[in-house]
Amino acid sequence: DTAVSQTPKYLVTQMGNDKSIKCEQNLGHDTMYWYKQDSKKFLKIMFSYNNKELIINETVPNRFSPKSPDKAHLNLHINSLELGDSAVYFCASSRRGLAGITDTQYFGPGTRLTVL
Amino acid sequence: GNSVTQMEGPVTLSEEAFLTINCTYTATGYPSLFWYVQYPGEGLQLLLKATKADDKGSNKGFEATYRKETTSFHLEKGSVQVSDSAVYFCALRDYNAGNNRKLIWGLGTSLAVNP
Repeated sequence: DTAVSQTPKYLVTQMGNDKSIKCEQNLGHDTMYWYKQDSKKFLKIMFSYNNKELIINETVPNRFSPKSPDKAHLNLHINSLELGDSAVYFCASSRRGLAGITDTQYFGPGTRLTVL
Repeated sequence: GNSVTQMEGPVTLSEEAFLTINCTYTATGYPSLFWYVQYPGEGLQLLLKATKADDKGSNKGFEATYRKETTSFHLEKGSVQVSDSAVYFCALRDYNAGNNRKLIWGLGTSLAVNP
């Protein structure tokens, strides 16, 4: 029973294409995140949604657009892919508890995006 | 602003050696501190955490103590195994920063344990 799942696991595509990555969690969490991890393992948060509302939107090109159809899903659509978008993208989720404090984040297995 | 500084890797040890990975932080409020581990080809997972000064987090033989006086949260293990080879991330969440929804991450420290 996978807690946080992502599809696809690998994505190889040409520059200029548009692609989507999907994320689903079955933990009953109300907050979901997208992270980008570069080749040096540096982890950068991109977006976060709480109950389908965007609450974190870091400095990310507007070619990246997250969409949360419901609390259990957070998808990432990328337009006009560039070489620099090549990275591993992680989805994560957490529960927002008392006083709005978020709990431990649970990560998906990652999607390795390669732009040629 | 809030930040986390980890010792640079890679760290290479022999099996059964003692491990220390240093982590120091700056925070405007009263942070909770975390260590996450990323095994090869996998996503990150929580290893341990501490929510207030002098707390000690522990899991799988790893320990870290929240030291407010030195603003540190060093990760230690007495005897590492090959299966501990992974990347370790220190992170903080500052409850008083007005934005407690996100974690502030260190750059990660890669550990390789040789048999």
